[in-house]
Amino acid sequence: EVQLLESGGGLVQPGGSLRLSCAASGFTFSSYAMSWVRQAPSKGLEWVSSVSAGVSGAYYADSVKGRFTISRDNSKNTLYLQMNSLRAEDTAVYYCAKMGGSYYDSWGQGTLVTVSS
Amino acid sequence: QSALTQPASVSGSPGQSITISCTGTSSDVGGYNFVSWYQQHPGKAPQLMIYDVSNRPSGVSNRFSGSKSGNTASLTISGLQAEDEADYYCSSYTSSSTRVFGGGTKLSVL
Repeated sequence: EVQLLESGGGLVQPGGSLRLSCAASGFTFSSYAMSWVRQAPSKGLEWVSSVSAGVSGAYYADSVKGRFTISRDNSKNTLYLQMNSLRAEDTAVYYCAKMGGSYYDSWGQGTLVTVSS
Repeated sequence: QSALTQPASVSGSPGQSITISCTGTSSDVGGYNFVSWYQQHPGKAPQLMIYDVSNRPSGVSNRFSGSKSGNTASLTISGLQAEDEADYYCSSYTSSSTRVFGGGTKLSVL
């Protein structure tokens, strides 16, 4: 059974940094692209970033480009999202998702990031 | 990276059929057969319902079906049940190798 467990969320001040982690199990992590998707309170889903299986490609939404960095450690079966220069509008639940091709076939339960002074 | 356009809400009675539309451009929905649909109940993570326009993952009821015409994709739910009441989101791959979601549609089963 695929399991994705996010961690690292919390309260951070504007301009601060946070690193999210997603521990994966139940599948061959190194063989699949992975993504981060976020959902602001009472809002819709927003794609944030994706990384290819081989770490060769990383893609970002315009809203986070230059501030967020996606990475993965295939030896630890873990996905990361380094978030810098955080803004109030980055407040959201951040989901880690496994890519089954072009789609998100498994999701974690999410971790809440709150950016506030 | 503009969001795909979905109706904010749709409703139907038990047993009826409803369709949710998802309109994009030739750079996303219209350009690729990479449209997927997700169901999200309150406080829960999204769940994949349809992938690559019209394919159903194992375990998803055959009451859910997907299609596409031009720049608009559609999700149809037949034989509405109370448990179908949820938010639904479409998603597409884009020509920039990025991905985009629709704004979401709240389905009410009356």
